[in-house]
Amino acid sequence: AQSVTQLDSQVPVFEEAPVELRCNYSSSVSVYLFWYVQYPNQGLQLLLKYLSGSTLVESINGFEAEFNKSQTSFHLRKPSVHISDTAEYFCAVRHYGKLTFGQGTILTVHP
Amino acid sequence: EAGVTQFPSHSVIEKGQTVTLRCDPISGHDNLYWYRRVMGKEIKFLLHFVKESKQDESGMPNNRFLAERTGGTYSTLKVQPAELEDSGVYFCASSQVVWQPPRAPYEQYFGPGTRLTVT
Repeated sequence: AQSVTQLDSQVPVFEEAPVELRCNYSSSVSVYLFWYVQYPNQGLQLLLKYLSGSTLVESINGFEAEFNKSQTSFHLRKPSVHISDTAEYFCAVRHYGKLTFGQGTILTVHP
Repeated sequence: EAGVTQFPSHSVIEKGQTVTLRCDPISGHDNLYWYRRVMGKEIKFLLHFVKESKQDESGMPNNRFLAERTGGTYSTLKVQPAELEDSGVYFCASSQVVWQPPRAPYEQYFGPGTRLTVT
């Protein structure tokens, strides 16, 4: 069975500060890793994914995540956040189609 | 091209009533998934359709929940009778198995969700 733990339920930061949202997973088999984002009053959107190859993956809006197999982590980072990054972020693993999600991290960016 | 749509966006019903949620996947997507997020908890998998067949229904909580996908297009999720603990947001997602740019294969695209409140 797979499980995902997001270590922080809420992360408040100031605009232009760096941020890291932590995610650890547990799985007995190889999995694919994802970060989804839910902006206020919207549905879930895929932010980035790790399927294979380079362990560092990037999104179009400046986020990046690094797959660390030895630490079973897939932390999400951004060097400088914007107000518009305020949202809830979900880490997930996929195995045989089914996604297993973490509890979510609410990122609040303050001016 | 339209994304995944869900109806209704909100539903408030009394305990013991019946509610039917609908999901229209992206056209041509054979895979359809239902997920649920109960308040304060993580998003949990309910079931997976491949076309009209149930591939995996291991996440369905009990027999008060019935999912159908007649004809392999839209899907419905019926809760009968509804209980207080059924309150939450129900998400639907769809994916395809072939490369159809700009959408990647096996990537799940989510609808906006249906917020169900049972009073």
